[in-house]
Amino acid sequence: DSGVTQTPKHLITATGQRVTLRCSPRSGDLSVYWYQQSLDQGLQFLIQYYNGEERAKGNILERFSAQQFPDLHSELNLSSLELGDSALYFCASSVGVGRVGFQETQYFGPGTRLLVL
Amino acid sequence: AQSVAQPEDQVNVAEGNPLTVKCTYSVSGNPYLFWYVQYPNRGLQFLLKYITGDNLVKGSYGFEAEFNKSQTSFHLKKPSALVSDSALYFCAVRGLNAGNMLTFGGGTRLMVKP
Repeated sequence: DSGVTQTPKHLITATGQRVTLRCSPRSGDLSVYWYQQSLDQGLQFLIQYYNGEERAKGNILERFSAQQFPDLHSELNLSSLELGDSALYFCASSVGVGRVGFQETQYFGPGTRLLVL
Repeated sequence: AQSVAQPEDQVNVAEGNPLTVKCTYSVSGNPYLFWYVQYPNRGLQFLLKYITGDNLVKGSYGFEAEFNKSQTSFHLKKPSALVSDSALYFCAVRGLNAGNMLTFGGGTRLMVKP
């Protein structure tokens, strides 16, 4: 158990809908990362938050957004869902950011499996 | 841009034999390299990382990895494979100039047969 929790574990929804994925980082971790794992794209970095502020963006669609709250949990919002958004969404956390952050290990949650029908 | 290549989609090895899962990388500056393992219906578990220092890194569950700067490789190894090692293995790199994001390889499925 990495200490990172994600809810829900599974999500089934229809095209055009909006869903929210939730992540709680390990105790003491200030950085939260979101990744998407799909069969065709592999594991891709979406976005990073550090202590409530967005720090880095990857291949995140405009239909997707995220935020990190004062209690450090994070939510990934996916809207106008398409069939191709079906994937496993992982949250990871690490202690910090910056020069020290490069050396840090990111610990991953169990993921949320999203199925868009 | 940084990238990782795992040239083998699948590696088959008999239990008790040594195993190697290959990884090569491309990054600007010094690389920070990681190996993760994913079991079915589970998240990614951290195995080991190379930051600096000794080129041979020891990690969890008896795994180790060898960093080779001239060949830009970071191969994962284990002297004696177990059936329970069967899983999906991911190599990842984080470059100094790319923020804290990890760039993952496509993954290698390790199958250890009794």
